[in-house]
Amino acid sequence: EAGVAQSPRYKIIEKRQSVAFWCNPISGHATLYWYQQILGQGPKLLIQFQNNGVVDDSQLPKDRFSAERLKGVDSTLKIQPAKLEDSAVYLCASTLGWGAKNIQYFGAGTRLSVL
Amino acid sequence: AQRVTQPEKLLSVFKGAPVELKCNYSYSGSPELFWYVQYSRQRLQLLLRHISRESIKGFTADLNKGETSFHLKKPFAQEEDSAMYYCALSGSARQLTFGSGTQLTVLP
Repeated sequence: EAGVAQSPRYKIIEKRQSVAFWCNPISGHATLYWYQQILGQGPKLLIQFQNNGVVDDSQLPKDRFSAERLKGVDSTLKIQPAKLEDSAVYLCASTLGWGAKNIQYFGAGTRLSVL
Repeated sequence: AQRVTQPEKLLSVFKGAPVELKCNYSYSGSPELFWYVQYSRQRLQLLLRHISRESIKGFTADLNKGETSFHLKKPFAQEEDSAMYYCALSGSARQLTFGSGTQLTVLP
């Protein structure tokens, strides 16, 4: 079974530029998450999708961050414009569902450096 | 609000010694607790979850609701256990709240 795929693995941009990250979850996983992990901290949830609908985006800085999952499979996360404090690893995770299936599988992440 | 606290950022033990990674949580309902591990240059992966009540790679963790703790233990540490360990809590919304992690180093 293929895991969660993310690209690119690394990205370096200057502040005020735009950047986008892509995630392909495990086949059949309806729920998809984006996390931000700042150096020295645990991952922090940004947004949760159930199929192509947003379940929770309360921690997403909506003035500069946006995310979509148009067909309920792939997802993109965009930052526009980027700030220095956005430097972090962006993790995508997916899960099959409730109960015994409530295990999140993580991608390798995209490491963003904003200069 | 839900919160997970891992008081130790760094923990070093010698090979063969017991190891305990501490995790305390705050949640008003009935949480589901997890331990995730990240080995060097690998992705974050599930180590164990409290509802499974199983031992993975010799590690166990017991949910103590009275002390709101979910400490991770292993009686005899191995060098391959060196990694970053994250405790995480899932509430009713199936979202994970992570602690800040403990870097475990097992010395030869």
